[in-house]
Amino acid sequence: AQKVTQAQTEISVVEKEDVTLDCVYETRDTTYYLFWYKQPPSGELVFLIRRNSFDEQNEISGRYSWNFQKSTSSFNFTITASQVVDSAVYFCALSGRNAGNMLTFGGGTRLMVKP
Amino acid sequence: DAGITQSPRHKVTETGTPVTLRCHQTENHRYMYWYRQDPGHGLRLIHYSYGVKDTDKGEVSDGYSVSRSKTEDFLLTLESATSSQTSVYFCAISESTDQETQYFGPGTRLLVL
Repeated sequence: AQKVTQAQTEISVVEKEDVTLDCVYETRDTTYYLFWYKQPPSGELVFLIRRNSFDEQNEISGRYSWNFQKSTSSFNFTITASQVVDSAVYFCALSGRNAGNMLTFGGGTRLMVKP
Repeated sequence: DAGITQSPRHKVTETGTPVTLRCHQTENHRYMYWYRQDPGHGLRLIHYSYGVKDTDKGEVSDGYSVSRSKTEDFLLTLESATSSQTSVYFCAISESTDQETQYFGPGTRLLVL
């Protein structure tokens, strides 16, 4: 079985602070993919990033960056200089062949960015 | 944005009544999925489809059935709704299931009284 844990249920920061959302996963697959999705207050789910298990390079996209470390089974997400528009629930997810390639989601982290 | 619509967007129903939710896509993607979202659980897979008339169960399939008679439509039916099925339901699509990214519809909020 595969599992995704997002231990931080809620985080509150003040605008312009940096914030890191943690994601820890468990899987028996050697080939798997990790994802992050954003769910703003409007409710839709927005895809942010997909990484495969063979690519441990960190990725940066504007104010967003992702740190993938296989040694600790973590795929953490950092927002630099947070903005009010970053307020949302963020989900980490995992898919692997042994789970039929189905997505397993973490419980989500609610980020509140205050002005 | 992926062309995915869900209908209805909101529904209130009574325990014991049948309910059908519809997911429609314009992307011609082969794979379609139904998830439910509940506080503290993230999203959990109910059923998925890998082609017309080809469906399979997910993690929380009890009490739900699905049908796919056309590539673009995937229906989720609650045969006899229960209060435990009060949730937000999301449809998703992907080109393949080989760890491809899934894109989600806007969601349907269902309240079973």
